[in-house]
Formats: sequence, C-alpha cells, structure tokens
Amino acid sequence: DVKVTQSSRYLVKRTGEKVFLECVQDMDHENMFWYRQDPGLGLRLIYFSYDVKMKEKGDIPEGYSVSREKKERFSLILESASTNQTSMYLCASSLPRAGETQYFGPGTRLLVL
Amino acid sequence: AQSVSQHNHHVILSEAASLELGCNYSYGGTVNLFWYVQYPGQHLQLLLKYFSGDPLVKGIKGFEAEFIKSKFSFNLRKPSVQWSDTAEYFCAVNAGGNEKLTFGTGTRLTIIP
Repeated sequence: DVKVTQSSRYLVKRTGEKVFLECVQDMDHENMFWYRQDPGLGLRLIYFSYDVKMKEKGDIPEGYSVSREKKERFSLILESASTNQTSMYLCASSLPRAGETQYFGPGTRLLVL
Repeated sequence: AQSVSQHNHHVILSEAASLELGCNYSYGGTVNLFWYVQYPGQHLQLLLKYFSGDPLVKGIKGFEAEFIKSKFSFNLRKPSVQWSDTAEYFCAVNAGGNEKLTFGTGTRLTIIP
C-alpha cells in the first residue's frame, strides 16, 4: 500500500516566518507534487518534482520554493509566510507517466496569523 | 493550457437517489481523466480513471464514468447513492502526455439518510 506522509496535520505560523512543510513517500515514486486546496478553487499545483534536485513550477509558485534532496522526500518552503497562504497543503506522488494515479498525503492545514 | 469545469458545486440527494456529477475539460488532444474523492477527514483518493480503451469506466463503491470525446465530458454516475457517499468529488485531467494533473473546483455531495 502506497503511503504518503506529511510532517504536520495542523500548523500555526506568524506573518513573515519561514515555514517548512515536509512530505515523505515510501513507494519509490519519481514524481512528487505540492498542491494547495482552497474552498471553491479545488486543488492548484504549486510545484512538481520529477527527480531528485529536479523541479518544475506549477500554476501558483509565487511565494513558494521546494527542495528535493532525496527521492522519497519533497519539501515545500514558504520563505516569508503571508496571511494569503493560509490554506490546506497536499502532497502527492506518482510513477513517471501520464495517466498514473497520484497518491495523496493527509494534508497540512496551515494558518498564518 | 487545459482546464476542467465542474458545474455542480454542492449537490444534496436522498439515499437511493441516482447521481450524476458533471465534468467537462478543454483540450483537443489525448487526455487521461480521473475522479478523486475526499471523504470527511480522509485523504484524497482515486475513485476511477480513464486511460484508454472502453470509454465506460467502473470504479470503487459502484461508481462509473463515461468518457464522451465529442462532448469533452467525463461525468460520474452512481445508480443508487448511500449516506457513506457524502464527500467532495474532484475531476482531473492529464493532457497531451503531461504528468501533471489539472483539477476541477470540486463538487460537495451531501446524502440525506
């Protein structure tokens, strides 16, 4: 069974803080993804990584960066958190082919005050 | 760029009613289509997907979807819903061999016992 875990379920941070969200998958998947989920907007892709140290911007990368130093781990970084980054953040992984299922973690609900 | 439309934002049905949730996408080439479901408090998980072949796809828990290429549609159906189907449903598309998914805004389904 594929397992994608995220470091925190809930997180509260202050404006201007640097925030790290961690994601780990145990299925040796090449692809990993970070999304944010907002009511009425669905899931929007922030960043995509297709291999270690390789990344590609998604639809809404502004204010975010990512790091993938090991195949199983993909980190999302908010360099200076802002209130409009309050959201649910979802990590996913998949094999490297169109049509492959993406497997999702439980999500991190981030509140920026 | 591709886009996905889910016109039903919130659907309320009684148990045993039939369900059809609409999904339309905009892309003229090859697509892979997905329905994901998020039950309250749970991970986003795959319900079913169309990769190739038979356009009528059957998924878990009695759900099915039909890919109609001429209508750019991939509507989700279930003949008789149960209270446990209460969840949020997301349609998504891979287009043109792209490994990234584009999601719709989601449909919240509430089943009244």
